[in-house]
Amino acid sequence: KQEVTQIPAALSVPEGENLVLNCSFTDSAIYNLQWFRQDPGKGLTSLLLIQSSQREQTSGRLNASLDKSSGRSTLYIAASQPGDSATYLCAVNSNYQLIWGAGTKLIIKP
Amino acid sequence: DAGITQSPRHKVTETGTPVTLRCHQTENHRYMYWYRQDPGHGLRLIHYSYGVKDTDKGEVSDGYSVSRSKTEDFLLTLESATSSQTSVYFCAISESRFGETGNQPQHFGDGTRLSIL
Repeated sequence: KQEVTQIPAALSVPEGENLVLNCSFTDSAIYNLQWFRQDPGKGLTSLLLIQSSQREQTSGRLNASLDKSSGRSTLYIAASQPGDSATYLCAVNSNYQLIWGAGTKLIIKP
Repeated sequence: DAGITQSPRHKVTETGTPVTLRCHQTENHRYMYWYRQDPGHGLRLIHYSYGVKDTDKGEVSDGYSVSRSKTEDFLLTLESATSSQTSVYFCAISESRFGETGNQPQHFGDGTRLSIL
C-alpha cells in the first residue's frame, strides 16, 4: 500500500532564505507526483506536477525534483517571501489513486 | 481560478441528521471528487465520479453517498451524520482521472467546514 510522508510537519525560516521541503513515498510505481499549496480556509492550488518520466519541474522560484528509485521528491523554494507562508502538500498518483501526505506548514518570518 | 463552488461553506448540525453538500463546476470537467481533510491525515478520498450517474468509492466511503445527475453538480450526502464526520470537505475536478494524463492536475474548491455536535 502506497504511503506518503512529509517531514517536517512545520518549518519556520527568515525571509530571503532558500529552503527545501521533503516528500517520501513507499512504492516507486507512480504515474506522477504533484505539489500543492493550501492557504488557511482555502482549497488547494496546484504548484507543480512531475510525470514519472521526468526528473524535475520548475515554475518561477519553485523547483520540484523526483527520484523514483529512492522514493523521494523535494520542493525547492528560492528567496523565500512572507507570501510563501502556507501548508505545502504532495500527492502521489499511484495505482489509480491519489495518495496524499499530511503536509508541511511553512512560516516565513519577515 | 477554476470555476468550482462549494455550498454551504460552513454548517453546524446535530448527530443523526441528514446533511447534503453541493459542488458545482463551470469547467465541464469529466471527473469530480469529494475529499475530507482531518489533522494529521492529509486528504482522504470519499467518492469520485467519472461521468453523469457514474461514481465509485474511495478510501473512506462508509457513511457517505453521492449523486451526479448533471455534469456540473456532484452532491455528497451524510444520511445520518455522526461526530466522526466532523471535518473539512473538499470538492475537486479534473479532466483526466486523478490528473494522470498530460499535465492536468486536480482543481479544488474552497471547502466546507462541517461540525456535527
